[in-house]
Amino acid sequence: GAVVSQHPSRVICKSGTSVKIECRSLDFQATTMFWYRQFPKQSLMLMATSNEGSKATYEQGVEKDKFLINHASLTLSTLTVTSAHPEDSSFYICSAFSVGVSTEAFFGQGTRLTVV
Amino acid sequence: RKEVEQDPGPFNVPEGATVAFNCTYSNSASQSFFWYRQDCRKEPKLLMSVYSSGNEDGRFTAQLNRASQYISLLIRDSKLSDSATYLCAHTGTGNQFYFGTGTSLTVIP
Repeated sequence: GAVVSQHPSRVICKSGTSVKIECRSLDFQATTMFWYRQFPKQSLMLMATSNEGSKATYEQGVEKDKFLINHASLTLSTLTVTSAHPEDSSFYICSAFSVGVSTEAFFGQGTRLTVV
Repeated sequence: RKEVEQDPGPFNVPEGATVAFNCTYSNSASQSFFWYRQDCRKEPKLLMSVYSSGNEDGRFTAQLNRASQYISLLIRDSKLSDSATYLCAHTGTGNQFYFGTGTSLTVIP
């Protein structure tokens, strides 16, 4: 299957700081990237859908000013958690999708964020 | 209403048992359906796509019932290595993937 690389895999930051997470599709051009958050023992919750060159579409209840998404190219999307709080601590996963490649989405390895 | 409803379990079954998971979805316009497997603290990995005619891959059988809006996954002859969380997923009109809460399976020796 296609390869999606997510970086960093683990990050610890102080409250009030911002953290950027990168998601790259390594061997295909992703027309769409998705960002998910997963709390312990809970499901993947879709945060936003990001299409290259346009603004991300956020799911209800997700603050777009807090979770900044940039999809500047067909192979890179970034999620920036701004002014992080301890309750933002979670597992963040991206996935990449391209209609011409497959009907499935390919996932990054995830980023475990801990805000202290 | 949630896009996808799934029984979280946990399911604890002995080796060799047959176990089935169901998942209901609310959007009748959903196009594609999938079962993913997620191991602890790892990203989900595609187990199989689900087709209207049903499909089988070794010990795994997936079925889609559009009339009742549910999909199912059957695992036969359970192995210890099948222990994981199984997530159903479907795509929305914008190709967004929506996941169920996941069903935890533990296969016991």
